Amino acid sequence: DGGITQSPKYLFRKEGQNVTLSCEQNLNHDAMYWYRQDPGQGLRLIYYSQIVNDFQKGDIAEGYSVSREKKESFPLTVTSAQKNPTAFYLCASNPRLDTGELFFGEGSRLTVL
Amino acid sequence: AQTVTQSQPEMSVQEAETVTLSCTYDTSESDYYLFWYKQPPSRQMILVIRQEAYKQQNATENRFSVNFQKAAKSFSLKISDSQLGDAAMYFCAYRSAYSGGSNYKLTFGKGTLLTVNP
Repeated sequence: DGGITQSPKYLFRKEGQNVTLSCEQNLNHDAMYWYRQDPGQGLRLIYYSQIVNDFQKGDIAEGYSVSREKKESFPLTVTSAQKNPTAFYLCASNPRLDTGELFFGEGSRLTVL
Repeated sequence: AQTVTQSQPEMSVQEAETVTLSCTYDTSESDYYLFWYKQPPSRQMILVIRQEAYKQQNATENRFSVNFQKAAKSFSLKISDSQLGDAAMYFCAYRSAYSGGSNYKLTFGKGTLLTVNP
């Protein structure tokens, strides 16, 4: 079955540590996105990538980094520079040149201890 | 930049009744897409309905329908015959229909938490 796989589903980290969240899709979609979800804040865009080896900052990119070396993969690193990293992270993708709906993974919950 | 506003943080409805969730947006563009997504307790985002701005006819998907008022920049979701499984967070979202740059991303509202009472 085609879809988006995020791992791990739950992650705990100590302050000062970097952590990488995985996102893999087998939908052959060009564009991939990372959103952060906090209570009462909706979904806010962190980074997005429209093609391999290219990505752009979203609205809240500070303290995060990404790479897009393969079409199927778009990992997100939460660095120690992110001041409030505890959140729910959603990865999404779409074919870019169609009617625009996003397809989402199941999310990763990051808790900083 | 486009913004999406959901003015109702929480709503409740009796099972089998009808409820309407509100959404307004701000844009200077004339062509765009609007979406309603549902996020149940599992937190999996599910597309409920999509509206294309150039279409005057309101979109409908079974018990879900929208009231799209382009001039007023309003996009409300009506859920008829509410069921317990409709309980979820509902997000309204906007996307430009123009290609290039950051236009492919979706901008989301803050969500409305819907409770369905038996």
